[in-house]
Amino acid sequence: IQLTQSPSFLSASVGDRVTITCRASQGISSYLAWYQQRPGKAPKLLIYAASTLQSGVPSRFSGSGSGTEFTLTISSLQPEDFATYYCQQLNSHPLTFGGGTKVEIK
Amino acid sequence: QITLKESGPTLVKPTQTLTLTCTFSGFSFSSTGVGVGWIRQPPGKALEWLAVIYWDNDKRYSPSLKNRLTITKDTSKNQVVLTITNMDPVDTATYYCAHTYKSGWYGVDSWGPGTLVTVSS
Repeated sequence: IQLTQSPSFLSASVGDRVTITCRASQGISSYLAWYQQRPGKAPKLLIYAASTLQSGVPSRFSGSGSGTEFTLTISSLQPEDFATYYCQQLNSHPLTFGGGTKVEIK
Repeated sequence: QITLKESGPTLVKPTQTLTLTCTFSGFSFSSTGVGVGWIRQPPGKALEWLAVIYWDNDKRYSPSLKNRLTITKDTSKNQVVLTITNMDPVDTATYYCAHTYKSGWYGVDSWGPGTLVTVSS
């Protein structure tokens, strides 16, 4: 299953609302996770089951979708949110990742 | 609290076999559904899923690398070992091990810090 993220690069300002899309090449129900990766660090799980916030993750992050189209939304971008975001499908093996979306400061 | 840490060589020569060890704490393969996976990331590139082993010894591999990968677990030592044969410079990457569940519902919820492996003669 291929995952296509868009955009691959995003320039935004603190306080902006940001939306990242992940499209699956076939239906994956809600078996989708979102990760944040800061430079030089391991990825961090933000959302699982498409819309469930991982414990400890700020509520400005939210996820939605099912089937083949999913979105990650950051309601008000904070300085620490500038990072690269990845989606991953866990519906079937191999557990593929999207190509990533880099969020940079405008 | 779940923690994982990768260990192994930082430099390998082309054609050599890479052996990476993931040592973890905070969970056990005695728990139903538990899995440990390996993911890699070439410098400046995206994440790539390599392999996973579950509590019941079910093993799954990336089709693109399947012939070169072997994943095993040592339940008594809380370790998972990944071997990659016939290493090539394109295999230069940071290698992560991570905790997950067989159901897939809960994502990959804990990651090791990663270890950078360079393939060069």
